Amino acid sequence: SQTIHQWPATLVQPVGSPLSLECTVEGTSNPNLYWYRQAAGRGLQLLFYSVGIGQISSEVPQNLSASRPQDRQFILSSKKLLLSDSGFYLCAWRGYRVREQYFGPGTRLTVT
Amino acid sequence: SQQGEEDPQALSIQEGENATMNCSYKTSINNLQWYRQNSGRGLVHLILIRSNEREKHSGRLRVTLDTSKKSSSLLITASRAADTASYFCATDRSNQGAQKLVFGQGTRLTINP
Repeated sequence: SQTIHQWPATLVQPVGSPLSLECTVEGTSNPNLYWYRQAAGRGLQLLFYSVGIGQISSEVPQNLSASRPQDRQFILSSKKLLLSDSGFYLCAWRGYRVREQYFGPGTRLTVT
Repeated sequence: SQQGEEDPQALSIQEGENATMNCSYKTSINNLQWYRQNSGRGLVHLILIRSNEREKHSGRLRVTLDTSKKSSSLLITASRAADTASYFCATDRSNQGAQKLVFGQGTRLTINP
């Protein structure tokens, strides 16, 4: 069966520090991968998606970047965090010919 | 921009009652999906309804879709305390290639014992 992992679960970082969040999927190959951000009490905002290794599409201009160094690994990064980067970050994957997405447990990021 | 808009934003009912949540959207879609999110957790897919379907059932869940009104509803029958969560609709406009879901703001459902 397929599983999706995210780490860390929680993170507190000072403004101006770098960021690296990791997402890995097991039990499938060549998934579509997604990064979302969720503000408190709000819906999800799509940040990045990837249809293959090294292929990244950005949905909104921002202080973040994404990379997909391996088929089932998706990384969200920032060189210098802003206060506005605080939020709940969710990774998701979708299989071939499947329309629903499967979400990881999320990372709670607080920028202080 | 967020395409799906759920209402109500919050709903509180007694255990055993039915809960109905609505979702409106603005553009044509390929399908519409409903997800549940327990507090502080990831989202869980509940049900998908295609644009050529009008109603779909899954256990205690019933989803309807009216493409002429660009709206959908999610009905949870015989609610349980474990149904307490936020519920999101998500619209899918893609036919092939990369899929991008657009999520609404969600309905926060509380089931009182």
